[in-house]
Amino acid sequence: GESVGLHLPTLSVQEGDNSIINCAYSNSASDYFIWYKQESGKGPQFIIDIRSNMDKRQGQRVTVLLNKTVKHLSLQIAATQPGDSAVYFCAENQNSGYSTLTFGKGTMLLVSP
Amino acid sequence: DVKVTQSSRYLVKRTGEKVFLECVQDMDHENMFWYRQDPGLGLRLIYFSYDVKMKEKGDIPEGYSVSREKKERFSLILESASTNQTSMYLCAVGGVGETQYFGPGTRLLVL
Repeated sequence: GESVGLHLPTLSVQEGDNSIINCAYSNSASDYFIWYKQESGKGPQFIIDIRSNMDKRQGQRVTVLLNKTVKHLSLQIAATQPGDSAVYFCAENQNSGYSTLTFGKGTMLLVSP
Repeated sequence: DVKVTQSSRYLVKRTGEKVFLECVQDMDHENMFWYRQDPGLGLRLIYFSYDVKMKEKGDIPEGYSVSREKKERFSLILESASTNQTSMYLCAVGGVGETQYFGPGTRLLVL
C-alpha cells in the first residue's frame, strides 16, 4: 500500500545495534515532546514523552534526550529488533493554550536481521 | 489503554459525494483531533474539538467540517469529496497538556 515513508530520511541498522533517531524542533517555548512509532498502514503509536524540565527519560529499551539549548530531541533504541522497523516522528506541544501538537516529518528505521 | 476507533479502515468514494468519517474514544478525553497524512507532508491538523459542540479550525480546514454531539464521538465530514482529498485520515484524542493517542486511520480514495 501507499507508504507514509516516501521522501523520508532513512536509518538502516543491523539487528542488535543501538539506533539513534534525531529531531530538531521549532519553538523554544515548547514544553512537552513526544515520540511516535508508525508501522505501515497503521496509526501512530505513542512510545515515550518528556517535559521541558527534564533532559532525559528512559523507558523499556528506549531513551529520549532533550537539549533545549539547540532545540534538539533524540530517541535511542537499544538492541534494535526487526519489529522496530517503522517510521518514527517527534511532536512538540508549542504551549499555545490548546493541546495541539506540531509533528516532524519522520525518519524511517530499517532493521536487518 | 486508550482505545480510539475509526469507522472504516478503507473507503472509496466518487468526486462530489458526501463522506462521513467517525471517531470514537473510550477514555473521556476533552480534546479530539482530525489529521490527514500525506507522503512528504507529515501530519496536518484539519480540525479539533475541546468539548462537546465546540470546534476549532486547524491548519487545513478548507473542504471539511466536523461535528461533536457527544464527548466520545467526533465526526469529520467532506461535504463534496474531491480527488485532492485522497489521503490517510487519522483521529486522535488527548487531555490538555498530555499526549495524543491515535486511531488506526482511514485510507480514503476519491475517484
